[in-house]
Amino acid sequence: KAGVTQTPRYLIKTRGQQVTLSCSPISGHRSVSWYQQTPGQGLQFLFEYFSETQRNKGNFPGRFSGRQFSNSRSEMNVSTLELGDSALYLCASSWGIGGGNNEQFFGPGTRLTVL
Amino acid sequence: KNEVEQSPQNLTAQEGEFITINCSYSVGISALHWLQQHPGGGIVSLFMLSSGKKKHGRLIATINIQEKHSSLHITASHPRDSAVYICAVHSNTGNQFYFGTGTSLTVIP
Repeated sequence: KAGVTQTPRYLIKTRGQQVTLSCSPISGHRSVSWYQQTPGQGLQFLFEYFSETQRNKGNFPGRFSGRQFSNSRSEMNVSTLELGDSALYLCASSWGIGGGNNEQFFGPGTRLTVL
Repeated sequence: KNEVEQSPQNLTAQEGEFITINCSYSVGISALHWLQQHPGGGIVSLFMLSSGKKKHGRLIATINIQEKHSSLHITASHPRDSAVYICAVHSNTGNQFYFGTGTSLTVIP
């Protein structure tokens, strides 16, 4: 079974631009969660999607948004990029709604650099 | 305030040593996860616990719900165990994940 894939793996943008990141979960997994990892803040939860609906959201501004498609693939969008958005963005998939009693499988991440 | 505290932040061990990493949390949880992150970023889920103890190979994870504390033990450590180990809890209120800052482990041959 293929693992979680994320595209692109690396991305360089400039301040003010917007970016869309993509995550394809393991086949059969219906939950996709997104995380941001920075050296200063560590890992932080962004949001979780299950069956095309956002189920949970972390403490991030509205510039961060996402969606999930009927095939469970998910996209994350960041608008009006700021320097502080430079980070590794990870997605994870699980069979059920993640976190509680479902193991999460992580993708390799997308490293975003904002110049 | 940090909902999850890990210790130590950094750990260097000789190959073969027994290693313990600790995690304390302050929120009510539905599950606690131990994650391993190698250089380059990839994260692997090692354990998911809601009570008791789990063992996988040389790794053992325990959790004490009353004391809000978990430990990850590595027996007979090996240089390939060198990685960052992250404790994460899933809160049972608000359905959010909170992460520790990680423990950077280096095992010297």
